[in-house]
Amino acid sequence: GEDVEQSLFLSVREGDSSVINCTYTDSSSTYLYWYKQEPGAGLQLLTYIFSNMDMKQDQRLTVLLNKKDKHLSLRIADTQTGDSAIYFCAESTQYGNNRLAFGKGNQVVVIP
Amino acid sequence: DTGVSQDPRHKITKRGQNVTFRCDPISEHNRLYWYRQTLGQGPEFLTYFQNEAQLEKSRLLSDRFSAERPKGSFSTLEIQRTEQGDSAMYLCASSPRGKRDTEAFFGQGTRLTVV
Repeated sequence: GEDVEQSLFLSVREGDSSVINCTYTDSSSTYLYWYKQEPGAGLQLLTYIFSNMDMKQDQRLTVLLNKKDKHLSLRIADTQTGDSAIYFCAESTQYGNNRLAFGKGNQVVVIP
Repeated sequence: DTGVSQDPRHKITKRGQNVTFRCDPISEHNRLYWYRQTLGQGPEFLTYFQNEAQLEKSRLLSDRFSAERPKGSFSTLEIQRTEQGDSAMYLCASSPRGKRDTEAFFGQGTRLTVV
């Protein structure tokens, strides 16, 4: 079954890098995703990685995947105040790429 | 394209009443999903449509819940005899067919409060 775990809170100074971690349990997951949710808003897809990749970089975002340990991380370089939000990792499931199992989310607060 | 649109954004209802939410997906997206998000949790899958066909329903979708997508475009989610435990954000997402079907785009959600 699917079970995605995330730590809850991260505080980071503007300009520093932030790293958010996530573990998942479904070894059959094809894709792993990072979503951002700002207060009162829906979910914004930030990036995703195919399960046969180790790393993906997209501008300030770097995703690392350790499939052996079922560990996913998101690094945000040069963190800005607009990055303050809740970040969710999600895995696709055996039922299809878009039937996602989400973690509880990690709140990132950027201090100016 | 204005993205996935959900209506209403907020709904307050008394316990026992019926409520209906609407989702308009991105045009030409053939897949549509409903998720529920309670406070402090991530979204949980409820149900999935491909065109007008409802292909998957979660165990979370009790018989008080019904979802439709009659013409393969917009979808409605109805909750009958609402309970306080139904209070949550209801999120709709859509995705296109083909190579980009890995990308699901979410609406702003409908926040339901049952009093």
